[in-house]
Amino acid sequence: GDSVTQMEGPVTLSEEAFLTINCTYTATGYPSLFWYVQYPGEGLQLLLKATKADDKGSNKGFEATYRKETTSFHLEKGSVQVSDSAVYFCALSDSLYTGTASKLTFGTGTRLQVTL
Amino acid sequence: DVKVTQSSRYLVKRTGEKVFLECVQDMDHENMFWYRQDPGLGLRLIYFSYDVKMKEKGDIPEGYSVSREKKERFSLILESASTNQTSMYLCASSFIRFTGELFFGEGSRLTVL
Repeated sequence: GDSVTQMEGPVTLSEEAFLTINCTYTATGYPSLFWYVQYPGEGLQLLLKATKADDKGSNKGFEATYRKETTSFHLEKGSVQVSDSAVYFCALSDSLYTGTASKLTFGTGTRLQVTL
Repeated sequence: DVKVTQSSRYLVKRTGEKVFLECVQDMDHENMFWYRQDPGLGLRLIYFSYDVKMKEKGDIPEGYSVSREKKERFSLILESASTNQTSMYLCASSFIRFTGELFFGEGSRLTVL
């Protein structure tokens, strides 16, 4: 079945450092890929998405590129801020292939802690 | 502002009790979901619903049931709570035409003693 693998956390960075959170996936067909973020005490919210190979999703200074050849969707940000401290979840939806719209498969989450 | 509201942020129940977790959304979404969030396991889908009175099992439905009598409300029921159901429960909703965006509530942290 479909699965998403994320790098283990927590990731601790100083403010203005470069961030990479690795995400790889296994899926049949042509999945859409997503990054969700969960700030402390809040529910998850969509950060960015990419629906086909070589697409780049971006939002709030974060970027991720859909790499079909390496089955990866790594999250990057050039300069993190303390306010970016949160848990980040990679996810996929194989809805185009299976027809079961809206079902997301999530990774285990990576906690990011940014310090001054 | 769009909103998914979960009735209780924190609950403490005893083994064997019947537990109701309520979720209401004000966005007229057709789809609603219940996920369970555990450290190291991420989010796992318990049940989902595409329409009123309609439900489908997710990946871990055992020990749970759901009810959707109105479009805006989706309830998760633990018929006889057990300690291994201690967890964070997240409700989410989306439009029937899937864009990839689920709208989540803040979560209900359930402790079963």
